[in-house]
Amino acid sequence: NAGVTQTPKFQVLKTGQSMTLQCAQDMNHNSMYWYRQDPGMGLRLIYYSASEGTTDKGEVPNGYNVSRLNKREFSLRLESAAPSQTSVYFCASSRTERDEQFFGPGTRLTVL
Amino acid sequence: AQSVTQLDSHVSVSEGTPVLLRCNYSSSYSPSLFWYVQHPNKGLQLLLKYTSAATLVKGINGFEAEFKKSETSFHLTKPSAHMSDAAEYFCVVTEAGTYKYIFGTGTRLKVLA
Repeated sequence: NAGVTQTPKFQVLKTGQSMTLQCAQDMNHNSMYWYRQDPGMGLRLIYYSASEGTTDKGEVPNGYNVSRLNKREFSLRLESAAPSQTSVYFCASSRTERDEQFFGPGTRLTVL
Repeated sequence: AQSVTQLDSHVSVSEGTPVLLRCNYSSSYSPSLFWYVQHPNKGLQLLLKYTSAATLVKGINGFEAEFKKSETSFHLTKPSAHMSDAAEYFCVVTEAGTYKYIFGTGTRLKVLA
């Protein structure tokens, strides 16, 4: 089992460009999450999907959109990237909302 | 509201000596608590979790943590540090009702030879 996979691993964007971060899990989990990690701030929740067909905002949703494509896949889209979105992005999944989360390897995004 | 405080941003220990990483939480109910480890340029790996069963929780790689409700603490310990333990460690508490994770700001552990 690959667990949680994320693509791409690295990305550099110019201000105003758009891109989609991809996440997939092969553990048959119901819940999926997107976080960003900034120095000295731990991880902060951007959006989550408690189950297929539902998405909800987390702590820092502004500037992002998500799509729960199916049970396996949960993508994060930046419509118009800003330098403040330079960060490391982690996707995670859990069997249900009450269970422990498993994390992907991360995507390091730089916005110039 | 729930919150979690990791009391040390950096900890240095010598190889073979004990490790103590401190975490305090605030919660108005019985929370679930977790410790995760992040090695450089890697994702987060679950070390251990507390979910209202035994107060002393054993995790992977010789780590353990004790839930102390009276002190609102969940400190992570290991009897003998190994070089491979050098990493960043995150304490996490779940938010009441939603089960969403609230992360501490992390403790970077350095292990000296």
